[in-house]
Amino acid sequence: KQEVTQIPAALSVPEGENLVLNCSFTDSAIYNLQWFRQDPGKGLTSLLLIQSSQREQTSGRLNASLDKSSGRSTLYIAASQPGDSATYLCAATNNDMRFGAGTRLTVKP
Amino acid sequence: DTGVSQDPRHKITKRGQNVTFRCDPISEHNRLYWYRQTLGQGPEFLTYFQNEAQLEKSRLLSDRFSAERPKGSFSTLEIQRTEQGDSAMYLCASRSTGGAGPNYGYTFGSGTRLTVV
Repeated sequence: KQEVTQIPAALSVPEGENLVLNCSFTDSAIYNLQWFRQDPGKGLTSLLLIQSSQREQTSGRLNASLDKSSGRSTLYIAASQPGDSATYLCAATNNDMRFGAGTRLTVKP
Repeated sequence: DTGVSQDPRHKITKRGQNVTFRCDPISEHNRLYWYRQTLGQGPEFLTYFQNEAQLEKSRLLSDRFSAERPKGSFSTLEIQRTEQGDSAMYLCASRSTGGAGPNYGYTFGSGTRLTVV
């Protein structure tokens, strides 16, 4: 059974700082890995999808990498802003999608 | 098509009552998923459909829970005899499995927040 772990559980940084969120998964036979953002009480917004054959994806200030062999993915956020404050979830897809518990990010002005 | 729609957004019910949630997926997506999310946790898989067939159910889906997708379009999730432990956000997602494999990302709805009092 796929297990997904996210570290740290919570992170607080000053505005403008670059940061890295970590995600690890136990079963490397994934089809893809997806990063989501979730605001309090809201649904999930997809940020980046990395196919199993890819190493990274970029969207604006976000960059996600994937290392299947080591079972790891990272989400890099450049020049963080207060509007980036949210919970970030990673999810690995085998036959279905399994989520980590998320990293709660707070960016202080 | 504006994405995955869920109704209602919020539901407050008394313990012991039955509730039903609806999900309308993206029209061309053949797979539909239900997840449950409690406070501070990531979403947990409940069940999924490929077209109208329910292909997998999690152990989390007790006998009080039933899901349907009768025509391969919208889906309903019913909880009978609700308990306080059922309070959670219920999320629906859809995706397409076209092509060589399940390499297409999931699109989630905004969820239905259930509170059992």
